[in-house]
Amino acid sequence: EAQVTQNPRYLITVTGKKLTVTCSQNMNHEYMSWYRQDPGLGLRQIYYSMNVEVTDKGDVPEGYKVSRKEKRNFPLILESPSPNQTSLYFCASKQGQGNQPQHFGDGTRLSIL
Amino acid sequence: QQQVKQSPQSLIVQKGGISIINCAYENTAFDYFPWYQQFPGKGPALLIAIRPDVSEKKEGRFTISFNKSAKQFSLHIMDSQPGDSATYFCAASREAGNQFYFGTGTSLTVIP
Repeated sequence: EAQVTQNPRYLITVTGKKLTVTCSQNMNHEYMSWYRQDPGLGLRQIYYSMNVEVTDKGDVPEGYKVSRKEKRNFPLILESPSPNQTSLYFCASKQGQGNQPQHFGDGTRLSIL
Repeated sequence: QQQVKQSPQSLIVQKGGISIINCAYENTAFDYFPWYQQFPGKGPALLIAIRPDVSEKKEGRFTISFNKSAKQFSLHIMDSQPGDSATYFCAASREAGNQFYFGTGTSLTVIP
C-alpha cells in the first residue's frame, strides 16, 4: 500500500529537549515536504526537499531542521523545542517537481510544555 | 501574511444542497490551485485541482470555478452528502509545484 508514515503520532515533551519526527514514504517520490497545521492558520510549509541532499525553506522554517540523506526518509528535527512549536505536523510527498498530487501522512501531534 | 484567503470558516448545508467555499490570492506567480479534503485524525487528501488557463474543472460532484482576473477560485460541492462533512483547504503553488500556500480551512457539516 502506497503511504507516508510518520512517527511518533503523538508526543508530549518539554522545552529544550531535542526531538525528531520521522517521515518515510514507499512510493519512490522525489519531493517531500513538512507542514504544520494550527487552528485558524491552515497548513504552513516548513521545509521541502526536491531530492536527496536538496532541501529548501518553506514559509515557516525558523526553529526547525531537516535532512534528506535517503530518498524515502525526510526527518524533521527540533533542536530546542519551544511551546510555540506545539502543533499538528504533516509530512507529504509527491512525484517530481511538477504539479503532482501530494500524499500526506496522518500527522504527528506535538505538545511542548 | 496569509497568501491564500479562504472563506467561510465553517459551513452547514442540508443534504442534497450545494456547498460553496471561496478562496482568493494576490500572487500572480501561482500556477496551480488544488483543493484538499481532510477528515478528523487524517492527513489532507487531494480532491481536485486546476491550472489558471482553465476557468472550470469538474470531477463528479466537485467543481472548481476559477476567475483569473479577480484572482479568486471556489469549490462547489453539488448534492452534498453527510459523508462530505470534513475540513476543506484550498491551496496555491508556484515554482514548479515546490512551494505551497494553504488557506485557513473550512469546516463543512452536511446535515441529513
